[in-house]
Amino acid sequence: GAGVSQSPSNKVTEKGKDVELRCDPISGHTALYWYRQSLGQGLEFLIYFQGNSAPDKSGLPSDRFSAERTGGSVSTLTIQRTQQEDSAVYLCASSADRGSVLTFGAGSRLTVL
Amino acid sequence: AQSVAQPEDQVNVAEGNPLTVKCTYSVSGNPYLFWYVQYPNRGLQFLLKYITGDNLVKGSYGFEAEFNKSQTSFHLKKPSALVSDSALYFCAVPGNTGKLIFGQGTTLQVKP
Repeated sequence: GAGVSQSPSNKVTEKGKDVELRCDPISGHTALYWYRQSLGQGLEFLIYFQGNSAPDKSGLPSDRFSAERTGGSVSTLTIQRTQQEDSAVYLCASSADRGSVLTFGAGSRLTVL
Repeated sequence: AQSVAQPEDQVNVAEGNPLTVKCTYSVSGNPYLFWYVQYPNRGLQFLLKYITGDNLVKGSYGFEAEFNKSQTSFHLKKPSALVSDSALYFCAVPGNTGKLIFGQGTTLQVKP
């Protein structure tokens, strides 16, 4: 596609529920990244994919967080048993290769009540 | 480990004045350095990058950045600030595993 597409754009959920966030990167981009941003603050790295494998998942906050990427394209970030501290904007980005310019999606805003 | 630091949480300038947003880096080898901007209620956008070559890099919206190896800095500059430049600015460097490592961000406020 023309840009990085994320869905849903907004998600409100109750504490303890599971959520799935989807990222559709730019076609042909081999690298895909997930970041988290709280209240317009800094960017917290979560996980990075090169193709379908994740060379770096050091930023996942706990075992409640997981991500996968299939077909070298779409990625899903899953948060199980959501907590209020998970409330944030989850940003996805893709790039043609590692070290290249990242193109970011508009983000998925997650609110856990 | 690769890292960048932005020493200022916020920078305030008057419209028409020059602006500088500071970034220092710590890398092994030759650095690749980036600046990104996040306008209010909008996604992050790429501004400019340094790979090799001229130390003064020109980017989008009239911004430029100066790579200084001796001071390990990559400050973002603009000769004349606009109110519309008010945004959150991030410098970044690729980490050893390929992820992009961002600084903590600097809020730029340009007053009319």
